[in-house]
Amino acid sequence: EAGVAQSPRYKIIEKRQSVAFWCNPISGHATLYWYQQILGQGPKLLIQFQNNGVVDDSQLPKDRFSAERLKGVDSTLKIQPAKLEDSAVYLCASSLERLGEQYFGPGTRLTVT
Amino acid sequence: QQPVQSPQAVILREGEDAVINCSSSKALYSVHWYRQKHGEAPVFLMILLKGGEQKGHEKISASFNEKKQQSSLYLTASQLSYSGTYFCGTEDNNNDMRFGAGTRLTVKP
Repeated sequence: EAGVAQSPRYKIIEKRQSVAFWCNPISGHATLYWYQQILGQGPKLLIQFQNNGVVDDSQLPKDRFSAERLKGVDSTLKIQPAKLEDSAVYLCASSLERLGEQYFGPGTRLTVT
Repeated sequence: QQPVQSPQAVILREGEDAVINCSSSKALYSVHWYRQKHGEAPVFLMILLKGGEQKGHEKISASFNEKKQQSSLYLTASQLSYSGTYFCGTEDNNNDMRFGAGTRLTVKP
């Protein structure tokens, strides 16, 4: 079974630039999560999708972050414009159902200079 | 609110036992436990649901005290492969999921 795919794996941008991350969950997984993990901290949930719909985006900085999950499969997370404090690893995870085991992708390491 | 984990770090010898605790100030619906090794993505260990249901690996045990909003992860007869950072994630009735700051476990030969 293929795992959760993410791209790119690494990205370096200057502040005020835009960036987008892509996630392809495990086939058949209805729930998709985006997390931000700053070095030395636990993952912070940014947004949770159930199929196409948003279940929770209470911790998503909506003035600069946006996410979509078209057709209930792939998802993209965008930051526009980026700030220095956005430097982190962005993890995508999927689960077969809500409250199920989450499978994490390898993450995208973002550095904002 | 982010759940509070304790201890922040623990060092064990192979074969020793450890308990990692997680507490929340909010009424919880579920508690999740993950282990993350340096430079890798978190890996699922256990989910404990309100009402007593548990889903997880056979060699991992955990408890969930719904009245106290506390969970504990029990690691017995530790192996070198148990080393890593353990995170608890808590989810309330409003689907709000938060992870703790982590407990760094080091198992030495």
